[in-house]
Amino acid sequence: DAKTTQPNSMESNEEEPVHLPCNHSTISGTDYIHWYRQLPSQGPEYVIHGLTSNVNNRMASLAIAEDRKSSTLILHRATLRDAAVYYCILPSGSARQLTFGSGTQLTVLP
Amino acid sequence: GAVVSQHPSRVICKSGTSVKIECRSLDFQATTMFWYRQFPKQSLMLMATSNEGSKATYEQGVEKDKFLINHASLTLSTLTVTSAHPEDSSFYICSATKGIPQHFGDGTRLSIL
Repeated sequence: DAKTTQPNSMESNEEEPVHLPCNHSTISGTDYIHWYRQLPSQGPEYVIHGLTSNVNNRMASLAIAEDRKSSTLILHRATLRDAAVYYCILPSGSARQLTFGSGTQLTVLP
Repeated sequence: GAVVSQHPSRVICKSGTSVKIECRSLDFQATTMFWYRQFPKQSLMLMATSNEGSKATYEQGVEKDKFLINHASLTLSTLTVTSAHPEDSSFYICSATKGIPQHFGDGTRLSIL
């Protein structure tokens, strides 16, 4: 299964953009890149996913490198409610199971 | 958006008790449901994958006789922790999906005394 590598923690100031990186150098051609986040004491929440092209939705943008070996989740204007652990995941298996790594703990400073 | 309801949100019970946790997809029919466990300051660990009407597939190291999963309909899956002991205390989270993405419940915090 392709693995992902993320920084353990990042900090951002409120109302500034945040770029959360993810490396997935062993990604295969059919692997989608998914991002989820988990706020304290809650279940994870879907953020965004993509295959090759950059993707945008109401929560975030996903920038995927041309060789697909890395991607960046972009929060355009961080708020205090965006403080969470962000997970970059490549689903695998017949049921597209999610394997959660340690993720990136994002701290948003007021 | 899609909503997954998990109940109860918190359980405190004595050692040896069996505990049932329900996971419902409220506004969609889920082809697959998943059960995860999360210990303090650790990441989520997948316990089992469940499809409606068939036996759950358990991850390596998860005892299927201890963690009973019933997936009776496309909107309901239950996890029963049988004869729970203090080491089973954890945060249990379910998710449901009909493709992409997975929709997660808010979790059940289980404390065994």
